[in-house]
Amino acid sequence: NAGVTQTPKFQVLKTGQSMTLQCAQDMNHNSMYWYRQDPGMGLRLIYYSASEGTTDKGEVPNGYNVSRLNKREFSLRLESAAPSQTSVYFCASTGIMNTEAFFGQGTRLTVV
Amino acid sequence: GDSVTQMEGPVTLSEEAFLTINCTYTATGYPSLFWYVQYPGEGLQLLLKATKADDKGSNKGFEATYRKETTSFHLEKGSVQVSDSAVYFCALSERSGNTPLVFGKGTRLSVIA
Repeated sequence: NAGVTQTPKFQVLKTGQSMTLQCAQDMNHNSMYWYRQDPGMGLRLIYYSASEGTTDKGEVPNGYNVSRLNKREFSLRLESAAPSQTSVYFCASTGIMNTEAFFGQGTRLTVV
Repeated sequence: GDSVTQMEGPVTLSEEAFLTINCTYTATGYPSLFWYVQYPGEGLQLLLKATKADDKGSNKGFEATYRKETTSFHLEKGSVQVSDSAVYFCALSERSGNTPLVFGKGTRLSVIA
């Protein structure tokens, strides 16, 4: 049972480059989330998708876009990376009634 | 909107000491409450949960009781071990499933032998 799988685990980008972080879950969960984690800031919600076909902005959406490709997959795209986007990114998913969130292992992104 | 406030860290304890990490919340509905733990270099994993008032969640010697009257969900452990060193997050979710989980900022715990 893989749970939530994120790729890549590590990435270094130059300022202005673009990239897509991939996330997939195999638990048939409805809701999926992207968070970023910065030292001393805890987890901040970037975007979420309550169900297939819907996406909503979270606390810090600027500079990001998302796609809920199907029920399993939720990708996060940085169109023009900036040093301020250096962070650890986590994808998560929850089932009906939000009883428990399952997290991926994280993507450590550095923008130079 | 909903929010979670947990005590600032870091917290440093000696092995076998008693641990309390305070967590209070504000919510419009009747949320479920959670404690997550993050070990170095890993993602978050569920430590324990409680879904209604007066429920006690427990796991690995950790406990937390859902106190609706004080809007609190404090994490406790009677005797910590070095292996408990991690970051602990308090969180809530509305059971409708249409709103995102809300996390506290995390409390880093270091246990020294």
